[in-house]
Amino acid sequence: EAGVAQSPRYKIIEKRQSVAFWCNPISGHATLYWYQQILGQGPKLLIQFQNNGVVDDSQLPKDRFSAERLKGVDSTLKIQPAKLEDSAVYLCASSLDLGRPAQYFGPGTRLLVL
Amino acid sequence: ELKVEQNPLFLSMQEGKNYTIYCNYSTTSDRLYWYRQDPGKSLESLFVLLSNGAVKQEGRLMASLDTKARLSTLHITAAVHDLSATYFCAVNSGNTPLVFGKGTRLSVIA
Repeated sequence: EAGVAQSPRYKIIEKRQSVAFWCNPISGHATLYWYQQILGQGPKLLIQFQNNGVVDDSQLPKDRFSAERLKGVDSTLKIQPAKLEDSAVYLCASSLDLGRPAQYFGPGTRLLVL
Repeated sequence: ELKVEQNPLFLSMQEGKNYTIYCNYSTTSDRLYWYRQDPGKSLESLFVLLSNGAVKQEGRLMASLDTKARLSTLHITAAVHDLSATYFCAVNSGNTPLVFGKGTRLSVIA
């Protein structure tokens, strides 16, 4: 079974630029999560989708971050404009359903904002 | 607000020794997870603990849960170098988001 795929794996941008990350969850997984992991800390949930609907985006900085999962499969996370403090690893995870909590994480995208 | 605290945050231990990592959480929760993360890699699920008194073991790692004390432990037996990694505990209830601790960076030295 293929795991959660993410791209790109690494990205370096200058502050005020825009960046987008892509995630393809495990086939058949209805629930998709985006986490931000700052160096030396645990992951923090940014947004959670159930199929193509948002379940929780309470910790998403909506003035600069946006995410979508239009067809209920792939998802993109965008930052516009980026700030220095956005430097982090962005992890995508998926689970079978809301009632099946085991989450499978992708390899992450490491973002450096200069 | 649910908070999760791990200690220690850094642990250097000799091969062959035993040690325990602790995870405390602040509000009633019904699921506790342990994850392992190697440098530059993603998170690998180790254990899911669902009930008071639950104990799970895999190789040299054993996790337990005391929901009354809001405490989980991850016990390492006869450590080997391959166990060097960062270990996270995470907690949630129902469909609420996972809340992670800061992680324990374990280094096993010869």
